Amino acid sequence: DSGVTQTPKHLITATGQRVTLRCSPRSGDLSVYWYQQSLDQGLQFLIQYYNGEERAKGNILERFSAQQFPDLHSELNLSSLELGDSALYFCASSEDPAGELFFGEGSRLTVL
Amino acid sequence: KDQVFQPSTVASSEGAVVEIFCNHSVSNAYNFFWYLHFPGCAPRLLVKGSKPSQQGRYNMTYERFSSSLLILQVREADAAVYYCAVECENTGFQKLVFGTGTRLLVSP
Repeated sequence: DSGVTQTPKHLITATGQRVTLRCSPRSGDLSVYWYQQSLDQGLQFLIQYYNGEERAKGNILERFSAQQFPDLHSELNLSSLELGDSALYFCASSEDPAGELFFGEGSRLTVL
Repeated sequence: KDQVFQPSTVASSEGAVVEIFCNHSVSNAYNFFWYLHFPGCAPRLLVKGSKPSQQGRYNMTYERFSSSLLILQVREADAAVYYCAVECENTGFQKLVFGTGTRLLVSP
């Protein structure tokens, strides 16, 4: 158990809809990262937060947004969903911006 | 473009030593990370560093632009996806660039 919790584990929705994925980092970790893993793709970095502030952005679409709350949990919002957004979304946390990443088990999103 | 390259699949037999190779084109890279991912579980770190290192049955080689993960006495239970990642610094922050993962197949 990495200590990182993601909900929901599975989510099925329709195109055009909006979903929110939630992540609780390990206790004490200030950095939260979001990654997307599509079929036959590696882990694509989306965005990083450190202590409530956006730290770095990767290949995150404008339809996607995220935030980190004062209690350090994070949410990834995906809107106007398309079929191609179907993927496994991982959250990871670390003590500091450059520390070892601890991953959650992922949220599998299926867009029909 | 910052990219990490690794084979999509590696096959082996039980008891052998398996090598999974990784190289990259990442600017300002200084660390390799190797993660293990069983489907349905969280990826977890096996070994990391900027020099050759070992953690149990896992050995990591290090060159500036490449690394290999060596799994000693491989078992069927080692069948999983192995991710190579490179840590680098860019515009003042550290980030990990992941490869697409190598699926290890182990036959009895």
